Order: sequence, then structure tokens, then C-alpha cells
Amino acid sequence: NAGVTQTPKFQVLKTGQSMTLQCAQDMNHNSMYWYRQDPGMGLRLIYYSASEGTTDKGEVPNGYNVSRLNKREFSLRLESAAPSQTSVYFCASRGRGHNQPQHFGDGTRLSIL
Amino acid sequence: TQLLEQSPQFLSIQEGENLTVYCNSSSVFSSLQWYRQEPGEGPVLLVTVVTGGEVKKLKRLTFQFGDARKDSSLHITAAQPGDTGLYLCAGVLGSQGNLIFGKGTKLSVKP
Repeated sequence: NAGVTQTPKFQVLKTGQSMTLQCAQDMNHNSMYWYRQDPGMGLRLIYYSASEGTTDKGEVPNGYNVSRLNKREFSLRLESAAPSQTSVYFCASRGRGHNQPQHFGDGTRLSIL
Repeated sequence: TQLLEQSPQFLSIQEGENLTVYCNSSSVFSSLQWYRQEPGEGPVLLVTVVTGGEVKKLKRLTFQFGDARKDSSLHITAAQPGDTGLYLCAGVLGSQGNLIFGKGTKLSVKP
């Protein structure tokens, strides 16, 4: 079982470059999420998609855009990367029922120089 | 902004000791989840507590949800090196079921 797959696992960018982080889940989940994890800050929600065709801002959306391409895939785009966006990015998905657990990918480690 | 305060942030103990991690908030949650995260991996769910006053046990781990559903604790009995990791509490908010995470407790258990 693949679960939630994130690509790439590592990336180094220069300030001002753009890139898209990919996420796919094979559990037929409706809801998908993007988080960033910084030392001492826990996980902070960037954007989420409650269902195919919908996206909403989370706690820290500035500098990011998302696309829910289909039920399986949810991508995160940095249009003009900044050093403050150096972080570990996690994608997660959740099945129906708001008490259901979120299933996480293994993260993308992004460094912006 | 809803906050979930988790303490302690770091914990270094010897094998065999007991420990407790706390999560506190002024917000009422519909449920609270505990996750464990290993280096280089995403968080993995340990347990979900739903009812105020609920206690759940997972081998040497005991989870409690406060009566008012604003706080929770994780107690580990006789910690082992395999318990080393980052423990995260997360409150479930609203009908969307979004999570508010605590900042995590980094546990190190030395043999």
C-alpha cells in the first residue's frame, strides 16, 4: 500500500525560483491537506481541499497556491520562492468523518538559498 | 487563533522511567488525536479520543481526554528506547475536521 506519496523528497532552490510539490493518495480520500513543519513550530496548515474541486486557505497560505487536480492529486506551488519558505512540507489525506485520522506522506525537504 | 499548548517541548529520560506529556487549550475540540513522528517520516496516528473524560490504553501508553474536551495527556510507563520520537497532539475543530497541532514533544529514551 503506497498511501500518500510526495515528490520530490528533497529540493534546493534559489530565491525567486518557482516549483511545484506533488502529492498523490491511493486511499480514495475526499480531503487533502498541505502543511509545513518548522523547528519548534509544529505542523501548520497551508491549504486544504475538502473535496475534489474545492480548495481553502489554512493558517499560513501567503506565498503558496494549490491545485486539486483530481480526487487523487493535490499539488502545492511556490511561485517565487523566498528563504522564509525553507521548511519540510507534508501532504496528508483523510477519509470521511471528521474524527478520522490524517494519513501523511514522508515529506519534501525544501531549502531556499 | 486557536492554540494548543503542548509541554514539555523536550524530554530526555532513562529507560524504565515514566513520563507524561500535556496538551492544553482554551478551545473545545470535538476530538483529539495523538501522533508519533520518526525522523524523515510523516506523523502516524497513535490514538483518537472523542468523549470527555475518556481514557484509552495502548500497551504502555495511556491517553486521557479532559472532561471539558479542552486538554489531554499522554502517559508512558516504563519508557523504552523504542519510544524515542516526536509526539504531537492535534485537536479536531469544526465540521471540516481540520487539525490544530501542538508544537510537539521530542522524547529521547536512553538505554
